[in-house]
Amino acid sequence: DVKVTQSSRYLVKRTGEKVFLECVQDMDHENMFWYRQDPGLGLRLIYFSYDVKMKEKGDIPEGYSVSREKKERFSLILESASTNQTSMYLCASSIVRSEQYFGPGTRLTVT
Amino acid sequence: ILNVEQSPQSLHVQEGDSTNFTCSFPSSNFYALHWYRWETAKSPEALFVMTLNGDEKKKGRISATLNTKEGYSYLYIKGSQPEDSATYLCAPPGLTGGGNKLTFGTGTQLKVEL
Repeated sequence: DVKVTQSSRYLVKRTGEKVFLECVQDMDHENMFWYRQDPGLGLRLIYFSYDVKMKEKGDIPEGYSVSREKKERFSLILESASTNQTSMYLCASSIVRSEQYFGPGTRLTVT
Repeated sequence: ILNVEQSPQSLHVQEGDSTNFTCSFPSSNFYALHWYRWETAKSPEALFVMTLNGDEKKKGRISATLNTKEGYSYLYIKGSQPEDSATYLCAPPGLTGGGNKLTFGTGTQLKVEL
């Protein structure tokens, strides 16, 4: 079974802090994704990576950056957390043009 | 951001009822479709990946059809059971990102009552 893990289930950070969300997949997938999920807005793509060190912006990249130094690991970085970044963050991975496998999610609260 | 619409937004049915949901999207921008099921306190899980116009897929009591020319997909659940209670998401891959970037609808929340 594909396993996608995320570093934390719940996280509370203060405004202005630098926040790292880590995601690891164990199936050698080329693609990795970061989404956020907000009530009434569905899953929105923040960033997408199709290979090590390669990335593309999603629909809402503002305020976020990403890092993919190894194939299995994809990090989402909030350079200076703000309250409007309070959300559920989901990581996913896939092979090319195939179904995505999701991690359990990280519920981030920025106070 | 391209618009993917799902209807209804929510649905309450009785155990044993059959039901269906709709996903609509701009046909000029999308050529395939994913369906996911998202149960409370779990991660979204893929139900179907449909890549051909006219495609029909089935998994147990759940089936789906795809019409990319007119921009819609239907998901059917036959004889709903309480364990079918979940949010059902559709997500067409767009023409950018090598067909890997999905645009998710806001989902149909299904509640199956005994």
